Amino acid sequence: RKEVEQDPGPFNVPEGATVAFNCTYSNSASQSFFWYRQDCRKEPKLLMSVYSSGNEDGRFTAQLNRASQYISLLIRDSKLSDSATYLCVVNPILNTGFQKLVFGTGTRLLVSP
Amino acid sequence: GAVVSQHPSWVICKSGTSVKIECRSLDFQATTMFWYRQFPKQSLMLMATSNEGSKATYEQGVEKDKFLINHASLTLSTLTVTSAHPEDSSFYICSASFDIYGYTFGSGTRLTVV
Repeated sequence: RKEVEQDPGPFNVPEGATVAFNCTYSNSASQSFFWYRQDCRKEPKLLMSVYSSGNEDGRFTAQLNRASQYISLLIRDSKLSDSATYLCVVNPILNTGFQKLVFGTGTRLLVSP
Repeated sequence: GAVVSQHPSWVICKSGTSVKIECRSLDFQATTMFWYRQFPKQSLMLMATSNEGSKATYEQGVEKDKFLINHASLTLSTLTVTSAHPEDSSFYICSASFDIYGYTFGSGTRLTVV
């Protein structure tokens, strides 16, 4: 089983639509969770961290379900500029200092006019 | 703040030659840097973790004699792909942690070996 699993998509949605991505992780001791966005041939950029209580940043909402070991990202009112690959990222252990990030394969989103 | 500069952004080299990729932290000291590789339509895969002043820790399956990592200062880490072959063609990205929660990425280097 992969450490972080995502549906690769692509998700094709019209402008204005709401779209949700899910991600599951295998290490129950994981402490930190993130969603990154990666445009074609570019480096990943942090979209948002994911907290247990859930968090929202404008049109983006992230949720964490520790019991089921999954993370979600909801995008409301999709824009053309949201077209990208969304990477679910997990930091397996936090308390021993800096640790490696484990990336999912990413979910590709295509927003059309 | 927390910017990592990576060079070159792309490079084409002949099979058998070596290529050096540099990553510099511009406004912070990076005790730890990470080197990733990404093949088309695949995820970023961690190759190695480099710590300033010590030997890099390589992930399973990554040849340390082929991918030489040097982290001689708190602001510079280099990855040298030795005797490159076409199968080494990939997108290489470095990342540095600027605090216990934050990671910032270089802009990546697209290596093509012909």
